[in-house]
Amino acid sequence: AQSVTQPDIHITVSEGASLELRCNYSYGATPYLFWYVQSPGQGLQLLLKYFSGDTLVQGIKGFEAEFKRSQSSFNLRKPSVHWSDAAEYFCAVGPGPTSNTGKLIFGQGTTLQVKP
Amino acid sequence: GAGVSQSPRYKVAKRGQDVALRCDPISGHVSLFWYQQALGQGPEFLTYFQNEAQLDKSGLPSDRFFAERPEGSVSTLKIQRTQQEDSAVYLCASSPRVGGNTGELFFGEGSRLTVL
Repeated sequence: AQSVTQPDIHITVSEGASLELRCNYSYGATPYLFWYVQSPGQGLQLLLKYFSGDTLVQGIKGFEAEFKRSQSSFNLRKPSVHWSDAAEYFCAVGPGPTSNTGKLIFGQGTTLQVKP
Repeated sequence: GAGVSQSPRYKVAKRGQDVALRCDPISGHVSLFWYQQALGQGPEFLTYFQNEAQLDKSGLPSDRFFAERPEGSVSTLKIQRTQQEDSAVYLCASSPRVGGNTGELFFGEGSRLTVL
């Protein structure tokens, strides 16, 4: 079955500290991979995406993620967290170009709290 | 507007009432998706349109849910005889690409439905 697992429901980090949010997926083929961020009352915004090529991808707001095929993981990282990064983060997988729909499967989400 | 617009932002319905939720995608975007996000969960796929054609409705939870996009732009999600378990945020997303190449989705802020 296709699924996305975000093992950490809630994470608290101090401002300026590094951050890693975990994402594991189960998918029949090599999927497209995404990280989205959702701030309160806002729509989901794409942070970064992986389709192919270099397994370390850079996104907006200083975020990066690394695709590890052997571990079926796509963890999100940031070297130094800012208070404005407090939000909910969703990992998602998509089917790639062979599909006639681009429906995404989302993880449960990780809520990030940033301490001053 | 420049983004995906959804209305109403908030809807309270009595159990058994019918509701209609509207989505205005970004102008020119071919693909349109509806997702359901229950409290504390990630978005779950409901249905996908490519222009006016509904290519995938596998995520609609019951025959009480109906979606349309008659002219290939604005879409309406209709829920008949609402039940308490329908309470959720309904997200609309659009993309300029089609099928498995939709890649990045642009999300609206959602319509929060509360069924009493």
